[in-house]
Amino acid sequence: EPEVTQTPSHQVTQMGQEVILRCVPISNHLYFYWYRQILGQKVEFLVSFYNNEISEKSEIFDDQFSVERPDGSNFTLKIRSTKLEDSAMYFCASKPGLSSYEQYFGPGTRLTVT
Amino acid sequence: AQSVTQPDIHITVSEGASLELRCNYSYGATPYLFWYVQSPGQGLQLLLKYFSGDTLVQGIKGFEAEFKRSQSSFNLRKPSVHWSDAAEYFCAVGADDRGSTLGRLYFGRGTQLTVWP
Repeated sequence: EPEVTQTPSHQVTQMGQEVILRCVPISNHLYFYWYRQILGQKVEFLVSFYNNEISEKSEIFDDQFSVERPDGSNFTLKIRSTKLEDSAMYFCASKPGLSSYEQYFGPGTRLTVT
Repeated sequence: AQSVTQPDIHITVSEGASLELRCNYSYGATPYLFWYVQSPGQGLQLLLKYFSGDTLVQGIKGFEAEFKRSQSSFNLRKPSVHWSDAAEYFCAVGADDRGSTLGRLYFGRGTQLTVWP
């Protein structure tokens, strides 16, 4: 069964460094999402992406964040200058099309900022 | 704005006992509702979903949930819990105020389920 994959599973970085989290959505899916979950808190939406542009973003997704689909398979989240409060589990999700409601989630990347 | 409330942070049940996890949502139109399960170190696995139609939906692993519009609830149930059900359970609501399916999912804070042998 096709699934969303994410790499790395765990990333440790120093405050102020740039990180890129990578996701490979399910191959025929058209809508892509990033969510994050700070330890002990709820899963929060960051951004949705369709047709090579951001379709919606939350208040969390400020200028430090960017997303890209550099080729036909990868979907990346970049944090330009990490802060301690960016430490969280980051989930990528995808869904097939507009008429589908279900989002398929990857296993997550745990980001630790020291 | 949409919101999801899971009033129980932690629930403990004995193996074989029945289970009900509560979820209430705030949304102006018909929501799309989901329950996800997250085992330690794992991602979010979809248990079941409600979009329309029959308000009692069946999911994987013997779980079911009932949509009650009058109570704005979508409670998750299982008649007999197994030790392997120990995990964190998240309720989520989808679609935005315009009913678009482009939109984000709003998650509750999660309910941690502990199962005693």
